[in-house]
Order: sequence, then structure tokens, then C-alpha cells
Amino acid sequence: GENVEQHPSTLSVQEGDSAVIKCTYSDSASNYFPWYKQELGKRPQLIIDIRSNVGEKKDQRIAVTLNKTAKHFSLHITETQPEDSAVYFCAAKYSGANNLFFGTGTRLTIIP
Amino acid sequence: GAVVSQHPSWVICKSGTSVKIECRSLDFQATTMFWYRQFPKQSLMLMATSNEGSKATYEQGVEKDKFLINHASLTLSTLTVTSAHPEDSSFYICSAEGTRGSYNEQFFGPGTRLTVL
Repeated sequence: GENVEQHPSTLSVQEGDSAVIKCTYSDSASNYFPWYKQELGKRPQLIIDIRSNVGEKKDQRIAVTLNKTAKHFSLHITETQPEDSAVYFCAAKYSGANNLFFGTGTRLTIIP
Repeated sequence: GAVVSQHPSWVICKSGTSVKIECRSLDFQATTMFWYRQFPKQSLMLMATSNEGSKATYEQGVEKDKFLINHASLTLSTLTVTSAHPEDSSFYICSAEGTRGSYNEQFFGPGTRLTVL
């Protein structure tokens, strides 16, 4: 099955700076890569996703890049704000499966 | 659209009792639902995939006789934790597979916090 690794496990950045979280996956058949934001005790919220037919996708301050050759994808948050503080999970899904494989999570803290 | 609810949102029970958690897709039909367990400061661990009208598919290490899953309709899946013990205390989250545009997507429920005394 798929194995997703996520780094770093914790990340603190100054408000206004950028944050980058990286994930690698093992199965080259994976073709869908969502990112979720989870606040304490709440459900994971999809914030952005990318499919293997594109290399980059952007939505306002959030962007995701995908390198299929290297089998890694990254979340980029620019102009960080205190409300960006949360745990972020990457995930991967491969063609033919309908379940997601989650990374271990990154606790992002924005320092005012 | 694509709202998933869970009930109850939290439950406290005594060791040895059974607890049922419901997962409902409110505005769409879901042939497939998923059950996850999340321990504090850890990731979501898939327990089982629930398919409407058929038996659930359990992940390795998850006891099917302890975690009973029933997906009797296209909008409801239930997870019953039988003979619960303190080590079963966790945050249980379901998701339902729906569509967004031309793609499938998982929509998550708000979770159920189970505490077994």
C-alpha cells in the first residue's frame, strides 16, 4: 500500500512569513493529493488538492506543488496569519483505491 | 452541499458497555463511507471502509468483531464499539465519498469523542 511521510512535525513561523510543509509518497500510481487543516477537536477541512495531471495549484495565500518524478508534494502558505495555526495533514490516493493515506501531520504555530 | 454529520459528538461510557456512533450524509448519497480513529496528537488511522449493502472492509489490526460496521442505506453508516475498554477512548471520525465536479471527494464528519471509564 501507499506510505506517506510528512515533515516537519512542528513548525513555528512569524506572522506574515511563509510556511512550507512537505510530503513524500511511495506509490507512483497515486494521482490525488489533498491537504487538510484540522483545528483541535474539529473535523479535517480540505484546503487545497492537486491531481497528478498538474504541477502546481494556487488558491489565494495557499499553493500546492507536485513533483511526480520525485514523488513529493508541498503545501505553501504565504503571508501567514494567526488563524492559520492548526494541524495540517497531507494525503494521497492512488488510482483504483477509494481510501486516503494520511501523513503524520504538522502542527503549525503562527507567532504574532 | 456535501454535509456529513455524526452522532453523538461525544460519549462517556463504562468499561464493558457498547457504544454506537452514527454517520450520515445529509444532502448526498454515499455508497462508500470510511471510519477513522485519531489518538491525541496523531494522524487519522483508517479503521474500515463501509460499503452500502455489503460487508465492511477492515484494515489490518482492526478487530471486526469489536468494531461492528453497518451501512444499511446510502446515507447512514454506523460504528458500534462493543465491550468498550479504556484503550478504545479516542476521537472517531467518519467520512463519506461524494462528488465535487467530476471527481470523487471525501467529506468528513465532525467526529465523536469516546471516553471509556
